Formats: sequence, C-alpha cells, structure tokens
Amino acid sequence: KQEVTQIPAALSVPEGENLVLNCSFTDSAIYNLQWFRQDPGKGLTSLLLIQSSQREQTSGRLNASLDKSSGRSTLYIAASQPGDSATYLCAALHGSGNTGKLIFGQGTTLQVKP
Amino acid sequence: DAGVTQSPTHLIKTRGQQVTLRCSPISGHKSVSWYQQVLGQGPQFIFQYYEKEERGRGNFPDRFSARQFPNYSSELNVNALLLGDSALYLCASSFRPVYNSPLHFGNGTRLTVT
Repeated sequence: KQEVTQIPAALSVPEGENLVLNCSFTDSAIYNLQWFRQDPGKGLTSLLLIQSSQREQTSGRLNASLDKSSGRSTLYIAASQPGDSATYLCAALHGSGNTGKLIFGQGTTLQVKP
Repeated sequence: DAGVTQSPTHLIKTRGQQVTLRCSPISGHKSVSWYQQVLGQGPQFIFQYYEKEERGRGNFPDRFSARQFPNYSSELNVNALLLGDSALYLCASSFRPVYNSPLHFGNGTRLTVT
C-alpha cells in the first residue's frame, strides 16, 4: 500500500530564506509525483509535476526533485516571500496512469514572516 | 477560460440525509476525479470518471456514488450522511486519465454534517 509522508508538518521562516520541504513515498512504482499549494479554505493549485523518468522540474523560484530509488522528493523554495505562506502537498500518482489515483501526503504548512 | 467549478460552495446537512455535489470541468477536459479532504489531512481519492465510465474507486463505502454526464460534468452523491463525512470535497479535471499534465482542482464544496 502506497503511503506518502511529508516532513515537517509545519515550518516558519523569515522572509528571504531558502527552504526545503520533504516528501517520502513507500512504493517506488509511481507514474509521476506532483507538488500542490493550498491556501486556507481553497482548492489545490498545481506547482510542479515530475514524471517518473525525470529527476527534477523548475518553475521560477521553485525546484522539485525526484529520487525514485530512495522514495523521496523535495521542493526547494528560493528567497521565500510572505505570499508563499500556504500548505504544500505532494502527491504520488499510483497505477498505470490510465486508471491511477493520486496518493497525497498530509502537507507542510509554511509561514513566511515579513 | 473558466477553471473547474463546484457547487454549492458550502452545505450543511443532518445525519442520515443525502447530498449531491456538482462539478464542471475545464472546457475540453474529459476526466473528472473526486477527492475528500478532512481538516488537517491530505485529500483522499474517491472516484475517477473518464468518458462517462468509472475508471477508479477509492476505499469509500457504497454510500458514496458518482456519475459523469455527456457534457463531462459530474455529480457526487453521498447517502445516509455520517458526522465523519464532514469534509472539503474537491473535484479535479484533466484532459485524459493519463496524468501527463497536472490536475486542475476546483475550490471545493465544504460539507458540514450535524
């Protein structure tokens, strides 16, 4: 059974700091891994998607890496800003891709202080 | 273009009642998935539909059912509501079941069961 774990559960940093969010999964047979952002009371916004054959993806100040052999993914946020404050969720797509389902971690709640 | 739209945004029901939640996918998207997110946890997969056929089902009781219409919109039905069904219900759409592109989530329906 695929399990996805995110550490830490909460993180508070001063503005401008670089930070890393961690995600681990138990079953390496994933189709892809996705990172999402969720603001309070809102839906999820997709940030980055890494296919199983890829090692990393970058978008602006965000960089996500994937190491299937160790069952780990990291989301690196450079030069954090107060607007980055949100809950960040990672999710592994488990299955064939045609009928797969996303298995989510519990999220890391990030607070960036001005 | 409009994103994924869900209705209603909030709903209060009593134990034992039935509820129907609605979702309109992004124009051109043929796959719709439903997720349940209990406060403080990551979303959990309920159903996936593609071209009006069920493509996946999570570990939810038979009280939960769904369908997809010819215009690719979808409804999630929950019968005999329990207090534990209180959650944010999220709908997500994609062009195909194969998640080569990120899932697009709506803002969800907040269901409270009293």
